[in-house]
Amino acid sequence: EPEVTQTPSHQVTQMGQEVILRCVPISNHLYFYWYRQILGQKVEFLVSFYNNEISEKSEIFDDQFSVERPDGSNFTLKIRSTKLEDSAMYFCASSVGTSGRTTDTQYFGPGTRLTVL
Amino acid sequence: AQSVTQPDIHITVSEGASLELRCNYSYGATPYLFWYVQSPGQGLQLLLKYFSGDTLVQGIKGFEAEFKRSQSSFNLRKPSVHWSDAAEYFCAVGGIENTGGFKTIFGAGTRLFVKA
Repeated sequence: EPEVTQTPSHQVTQMGQEVILRCVPISNHLYFYWYRQILGQKVEFLVSFYNNEISEKSEIFDDQFSVERPDGSNFTLKIRSTKLEDSAMYFCASSVGTSGRTTDTQYFGPGTRLTVL
Repeated sequence: AQSVTQPDIHITVSEGASLELRCNYSYGATPYLFWYVQSPGQGLQLLLKYFSGDTLVQGIKGFEAEFKRSQSSFNLRKPSVHWSDAAEYFCAVGGIENTGGFKTIFGAGTRLFVKA
């Protein structure tokens, strides 16, 4: 069964460093998402991406964050200058999204745990 | 404001007993409602979703949920719990924004413990 994959599983970085979290969505999916979950807290929506542009973003997704689909398979989340409070589990998700349909089931990856020291 | 409330932080149920996890939401437009399960170290798996139609929704692993608009609730139920159901359960509400994008808001989660 196809699945969303994410690398690395755990990333440790120093405050102020840039990090790139990588995701490989399911191959025929067109809509991509990033969520984060701070330890012990709820899952929070960050951004959705369709047709090579951001479709929706939350107030959390400020100028420190960016997303990109650099090739036909990867979907990345970049944090330019990490802060301690960026420490969280980051989940990527994808959905079929044919014709821009946003209500298709989202399939989540296993997450990348980001630790900022 | 859009929000999801899961009033129970954790619940302990005996194996074989019935389960109900509560979820209340606040959403201004037509809500799309979801239940996800997260096992330790895993991503989120969709159990079921409600978009429209029959208010009793059947999902995977024997779960069901009932949408009650008058109570703004979407409680998750299972008639007989198995030890493998021990996990964190998230209720979520989503909808199509004015931009055409879809945003999902999650509740804080309910951790289910199953005792033998």
